[in-house]
Amino acid sequence: DADVTQTPRNRITKTGKRIMLECSQTKGHDRMYWYRQDPGLGLRLIYYSFDVKDINKGEISDGYSVSRQAQAKFSLSLESAIPNQTALYFCATSGLSGRGLGELFFGEGSRLTVL
Amino acid sequence: GNSVTQMEGPVTLSEEAFLTINCTYTATGYPSLFWYVQYPGEGLQLLLKATKADDKGSNKGFEATYRKETTSFHLEKGSVQVSDSAVYFCALSDDYKLSFGAGTTVTVRA
Repeated sequence: DADVTQTPRNRITKTGKRIMLECSQTKGHDRMYWYRQDPGLGLRLIYYSFDVKDINKGEISDGYSVSRQAQAKFSLSLESAIPNQTALYFCATSGLSGRGLGELFFGEGSRLTVL
Repeated sequence: GNSVTQMEGPVTLSEEAFLTINCTYTATGYPSLFWYVQYPGEGLQLLLKATKADDKGSNKGFEATYRKETTSFHLEKGSVQVSDSAVYFCALSDDYKLSFGAGTTVTVRA
């Protein structure tokens, strides 16, 4: 089984619908992240969390919300989906390291299409 | 703020050719630098990293050297294989997050 699991892997929805993308990890890491990937733009950070009670906005948080239900679970919600939120979404985790950020471990991605 | 600029693709090469992907960065302080690779249909995985100036990261025949004087972290491989076809991302970190470049798509033909 993958260390970082995302569900669903693919989702097609309509404008205005609420969507939740879920992420769970078995690595025991404290830090979890949600990124969005768009062609030509690389990965952009949506939200990140250092523990269950510590959630922070990234560079493109508008239109998104998150919930850290447990150390191992971090979900991303789109309250009212719009077409420009069509993208590939990645969850990632990181353990603390002695100097700053350690390696990020990524899930396989959730492809979301908003019609 | 911190940012990364990497060369635009796509890049198409023949097997055994030399590959270089340029990456430059803007940052305050002394960030760590990374190259991540994304194979088709998969998530990103760490290829190599360097944590301080003049460090050389290497893995799977790829190398990159952290050059503080030129603010660069160029990725190189001397002889690519078809299996190296992927999207390559340069990234830098502050203490809590990674900032990624736009990615460079590399296709290696047999």
